[in-house]
Amino acid sequence: EIVLTQSPGTLSLSPGERATLSCRASQGVSKNYLAWYQQKPGQPPRFLIYGASTRATGIPDRFSGSGSGTDFTLTISRLEPEDFAVYYCQQYAGAPCTFGQGTKLEIK
Amino acid sequence: EVQLVESGGGLVQPGGSLRLSCATSGFILSNYWISWVRQAPGKGLEWVANINQDGTDKYYIDSVNGRFTVSKDNAKDSVHLQMNRLRAEDTAVYYCARGFGGADYWGQGTLVTVSS
Repeated sequence: EIVLTQSPGTLSLSPGERATLSCRASQGVSKNYLAWYQQKPGQPPRFLIYGASTRATGIPDRFSGSGSGTDFTLTISRLEPEDFAVYYCQQYAGAPCTFGQGTKLEIK
Repeated sequence: EVQLVESGGGLVQPGGSLRLSCATSGFILSNYWISWVRQAPGKGLEWVANINQDGTDKYYIDSVNGRFTVSKDNAKDSVHLQMNRLRAEDTAVYYCARGFGGADYWGQGTLVTVSS
């Protein structure tokens, strides 16, 4: 089973700032099958990134994903008020398709 | 418009059973894997199970293997999660989502509470 560790647990930033979220895998993620989701309270997750770096349909270009192997990053270039939420990474290289524990992005 | 709608959640005693359903529309179910993901109150996301396009390939997280069964009826555009021998730690909102992983569409979820 691939264990995903996200850091930091909580990130406090202001609108307009740049956010960098990390997701580290316990072993290499084959074919970079790594996705990112955003979740707000009371809502299902929203699909942001797949294949480590490809934005899903309709996702603004301020969201970008990068990385390969065991180290992955989600960057939000310039935070908008609606971006404050919890972010999860997930690997889907094989079952079990594990999630990271999440990073809470909060307004400073 | 792609939609997934879960139903069947509720309150059940430890050791009991529930059958969750996921009604899909707006896409051809037989072309897609479907995943079940759960979220315990105040906790993160946990992948539970998934099923392939024709229902012949299924995977489960260890903690539910042998207790939960995922099935698919492509003719009726529906996916089911039969949950037996439920435990308190199975209490969560259960989501169905389109995809093996990298799930692009999600339902709103159905709450399962296991308590006496």
